[in-house]
Amino acid sequence: QVQLQESGPGLVKPSETLSLTCAVSGGSISDSFWSWVRQPPGKGLEWIANIHYKGDTYYNPSLEGRVAISLDTSKSECSLKLGSVTAADTAVYFCVRLNRYGGGWSVFDYWGQGTLVTVSS
Amino acid sequence: QSALTQPASVSGSPGQSITISCTGTTSDIGAFYYVSWYQQQLGKAPRLILYDVTNRPSGVSDRFSGSRSGSTASLTISGLQTEDEADYYCCSYTSSSTFVFGPGTKVTVL
Repeated sequence: QVQLQESGPGLVKPSETLSLTCAVSGGSISDSFWSWVRQPPGKGLEWIANIHYKGDTYYNPSLEGRVAISLDTSKSECSLKLGSVTAADTAVYFCVRLNRYGGGWSVFDYWGQGTLVTVSS
Repeated sequence: QSALTQPASVSGSPGQSITISCTGTTSDIGAFYYVSWYQQQLGKAPRLILYDVTNRPSGVSDRFSGSRSGSTASLTISGLQTEDEADYYCCSYTSSSTFVFGPGTKVTVL
């Protein structure tokens, strides 16, 4: 059973960089894509980025330029950095596995519990 | 990227069937069979309930079914139960190799 555990500061100041890490256990980090999805309080889900262990990365165009996703295969960790944050970046950030169930890489099948990041001075 | 559209809320009585629509464009739902649906109960992480429009993962009730017509995908919940009260999100792969979620639909069991 794949388990994902997000960690990182719960409070980030405006204009600074948000940094989160996701520890992957119960499965190989080399088998799938890994993603980040966020959810502002009381609002819907927003896809942020995907990464494959071979290095392929994809970003939400609305965040591109501020966001970077990376993998550390030796530690089985996926990381997210989001720069120049504002209050609009306040959200629960989920680490998610993107898998292929026969067709393309299209299935967000395992989700972490999420971690709330608040942007405030 | 354009957002998908879903009704804000849908309600039904126990035992009834309800359908949630998810409308996109010819660059996402209309172009690919890669539409998935997620159930999110209060305070929890989303849970995959349908993928590739019509397929259910192991362990998901067969009361959940999906379809697609043109650029609109639909989720139907049959035999509505109180445990089905939750928010439901559709998600589609896009022609830009990105993903887009719908705004979510709140399902209320009357």
